[in-house]
Amino acid sequence: QVQLQESGPGLVKPSQTLSLTCTVSGGSFSSGNYYWSWIRQPAGKGLEWIGRIYSSGTANYNPSLMSRVTISGDTSRRQFSLKLSSVTAADTAVYYCARDRLGTWYDFDSWGQGTLVTVSS
Amino acid sequence: QTVVTQEPSFSVSPGGTVTLTCGLSSGSVSTTYYPSWYQQTPGQSPRTLIYSTNFRSSGVPDRFSGSILGSKAALTITGAQADDESDYYCMLYMGSGISVLGGGTKLTVL
Repeated sequence: QVQLQESGPGLVKPSQTLSLTCTVSGGSFSSGNYYWSWIRQPAGKGLEWIGRIYSSGTANYNPSLMSRVTISGDTSRRQFSLKLSSVTAADTAVYYCARDRLGTWYDFDSWGQGTLVTVSS
Repeated sequence: QTVVTQEPSFSVSPGGTVTLTCGLSSGSVSTTYYPSWYQQTPGQSPRTLIYSTNFRSSGVPDRFSGSILGSKAALTITGAQADDESDYYCMLYMGSGISVLGGGTKLTVL
């Protein structure tokens, strides 16, 4: 049973870079069947897909965030990370990581519990 | 950018049937968009209900079903229960590695 856990600072100053890590336990991290995604949710609002990474390092990003987002992976540590630059208050949200079945079933089949990141000075 | 549309809110009586839909601001949804559906209650992570149009995730009751109805993807709940009161999100795959989530539907069971 795969489990995902987000970690990182809960408070980031405006204009700085938000950095989060998702640690994957159980299951296979570098299997060819899975991608790994980040999704966020501002308080009281809907879910927004941020981007995904494959074990090869190939990444896809939401076009609306592409200029500010980098997702990377570390297979040896079973982790993947999110960096979002030049943050503003609009980036305040709960950030989720998820196992992504792009190319097979095209869904997120396992989710982390989420971590709240607040952008404030 | 293409917008995925969902009803903002819906209500159903206990024991009743409700169909939530997932459309596109331009064009029709088909199976090639691989629609998936997620249920989220306040303070919780989303839970996957349906993937690739009509496959139920493990442990999901069979009162939840997915389909294509006309030009939209649909999630039908047959025999709604009180604990089905949640937010429901659909997601579509747009191709070229891009996925888009809908704005969500708040379902009330009363």
